[in-house]
Amino acid sequence: LAKTTQPISMDSYEGQEVNITCSHNNIATNDYITWYQQFPSQGPRFIIQGYKTKVTNEVASLFIPADRKSSTLSLPRVSLSDTAVYYCLVAGNNAGNMLTFGGGTRLMVKP
Amino acid sequence: EAQVTQNPRYLITVTGKKLTVTCSQNMNHEYMSWYRQDPGLGLRQIYYSMNVEVTDKGDVPEGYKVSRKEKRNFPLILESPSPNQTSLYFCASTKAGVGETQYFGPGTRLLVL
Repeated sequence: LAKTTQPISMDSYEGQEVNITCSHNNIATNDYITWYQQFPSQGPRFIIQGYKTKVTNEVASLFIPADRKSSTLSLPRVSLSDTAVYYCLVAGNNAGNMLTFGGGTRLMVKP
Repeated sequence: EAQVTQNPRYLITVTGKKLTVTCSQNMNHEYMSWYRQDPGLGLRQIYYSMNVEVTDKGDVPEGYKVSRKEKRNFPLILESPSPNQTSLYFCASTKAGVGETQYFGPGTRLLVL
């Protein structure tokens, strides 16, 4: 299972673009990169997933360089409600056997 | 509505009194997992199940039991709860396959006195 490294915390202001980078140097060929968002006392919620290059949905974009050793979650024009913890996971099979969430990145959006 | 439900949402109990936290999903997912979340330690997997009657230990299985008699249900059993099992518990389910995402329940906050 690929280990991931993310910044512990980040601060931003409303309306700004936020980029959170995750390092996963030992990513395997069949691993996907998935980002989750978690609000206090709630279960993590899927944001976006990708395998390579760029993925965009209505919430975020995910940029993955050719070597796939890192990925960047991009949140456009954040609002106060985007204050949460963001987790990066790398796995080929998200079903189990030691699927581990790291510490995540605590994003604080200020007015 | 596709969802994972857990009950109870909040529970206060005493040391040694057996308890069960239920988890149910309506998405016909093969895979289900239990996690606990503690301050500073993130989410840690307790047990997981890849299908009916197939379960295995996660990262922190001590003091817990699970069963998977039906595809939709995956209860977490604490035979003799202790104060160090005070935590926030999440159940999750996933469709079988590579690259599938997990859907999490709302959480169960447990306090063991």
